[in-house]
Amino acid sequence: DAGVIQSPRHEVTEMGQEVTLRCKPISGHDYLFWYRQTMMRGLELLIYFNNNVPIDDSGMPEDRFSAKMPNASFSTLKIQPSEPRDSAVYFCASSRSGTGGYEQYFGPGTRLTVT
Amino acid sequence: AQSVAQPEDQVNVAEGNPLTVKCTYSVSGNPYLFWYVQYPNRGLQFLLKYITGDNLVKGSYGFEAEFNKSQTSFHLKKPSALVSDSALYFCAVRAFSAGNNRKLIWGLGTSLAVNP
Repeated sequence: DAGVIQSPRHEVTEMGQEVTLRCKPISGHDYLFWYRQTMMRGLELLIYFNNNVPIDDSGMPEDRFSAKMPNASFSTLKIQPSEPRDSAVYFCASSRSGTGGYEQYFGPGTRLTVT
Repeated sequence: AQSVAQPEDQVNVAEGNPLTVKCTYSVSGNPYLFWYVQYPNRGLQFLLKYITGDNLVKGSYGFEAEFNKSQTSFHLKKPSALVSDSALYFCAVRAFSAGNNRKLIWGLGTSLAVNP
């Protein structure tokens, strides 16, 4: 089975530009998580969805960040406008409901550099 | 407050020796505990979990972890380290709150270096 798929793998953009990160969760998984990883702050949960509905977005840094999940197999994380401090690796992860299904499976990440 | 601590930023061990990566937690309710590994430029990979049952949990790549309720610890262990085990290791615990039970609290990670 294919794992979590993220695109692009690398993104370099200039400050002020819009950035869109994409994620396809594992088929059959109904939870989807967006994380950001930096050396300074470690791994931070930005938002997560259950059955395409946002459950907890308390980690979204500010209004410049938005996430959508239009269907069970696709999610986007958008940053508009981007700033240099948004430079990080962004991970998408998914998991399935039910007892014993709490572990999350991560994609390879998108390394974002904002200049 | 619910939290996870990995008290060592880095652990060094010689190949063939046993390794331990430490994790302690503070959480309300029964803990659900996880270990993940991250290789350079890769996503996190699930290693093992404890939800209930035996305190000694076996996982991928020969790793195991021991749940100790009295010490609120969940240390990761391997009897004989390999150079290929060198990576960043994360401990996580499920956060408990009404209507929001899928959130994991993550440690800051421990860098494991296995020397040949």
